[in-house]
Amino acid sequence: SQKIEQNSEALNIQEGKTATLTCNYTNYSPAYLQWYRQDPGRGPVFLLLIRENEKEKRKERLKVTFDTTLKQSLFHITASQPADSATYLCAPPRNTDKLIFGTGTRLQVFP
Amino acid sequence: DAGVIQSPRHEVTEMGQEVTLRCKPISGHDYLFWYRQTMMRGLELLIYFNNNVPIDDSGMPEDRFSAKMPNASFSTLKIQPSEPRDSAVYFCASSLGQASGYTFGSGTRLTVV
Repeated sequence: SQKIEQNSEALNIQEGKTATLTCNYTNYSPAYLQWYRQDPGRGPVFLLLIRENEKEKRKERLKVTFDTTLKQSLFHITASQPADSATYLCAPPRNTDKLIFGTGTRLQVFP
Repeated sequence: DAGVIQSPRHEVTEMGQEVTLRCKPISGHDYLFWYRQTMMRGLELLIYFNNNVPIDDSGMPEDRFSAKMPNASFSTLKIQPSEPRDSAVYFCASSLGQASGYTFGSGTRLTVV
């Protein structure tokens, strides 16, 4: 069956460091993958979309990579700040139209 | 645009009662999705619509759940009868076509006692 795996353990890093979150998927080949941020008590917020023919995508301090051979996407936040603390969800689509979300990784940036 | 609007924000109901959740998508978005989020199962897709037509309801847990989209600006998710295991946060999201980012509403926290 198709699976999406994100590290369920929280990631704790110091302010100013680079945070790297991992998303692995199995048994299918999505044409693109999206990343979202979710704060407690709120809905997910779209951050970035990367397509299968793009190796890397950047937006300000965010960088996403997409390795279709490894079936993996990495999400990086450079120069992390306490305000970056949240849960980050990866979402590859199934059947093009609908996104299936991973369980998310909680990031905690401490001063 | 005010974004995706969901109501109510919180709903507490007794087991066996009917519950109706409401969603107003962003104007111009032709896709609408209903998700449910719990600690145990994360975000689960229940059903989605394209141009007001239900496309895939394979995520609807059972016949107690139903969803409608009578027009481009309104959708409902109904649970009848409700059960304690339905307690979760229900999100509505809309998007502008395939491969577009979703805009989520603030969610409805449902508690069935």
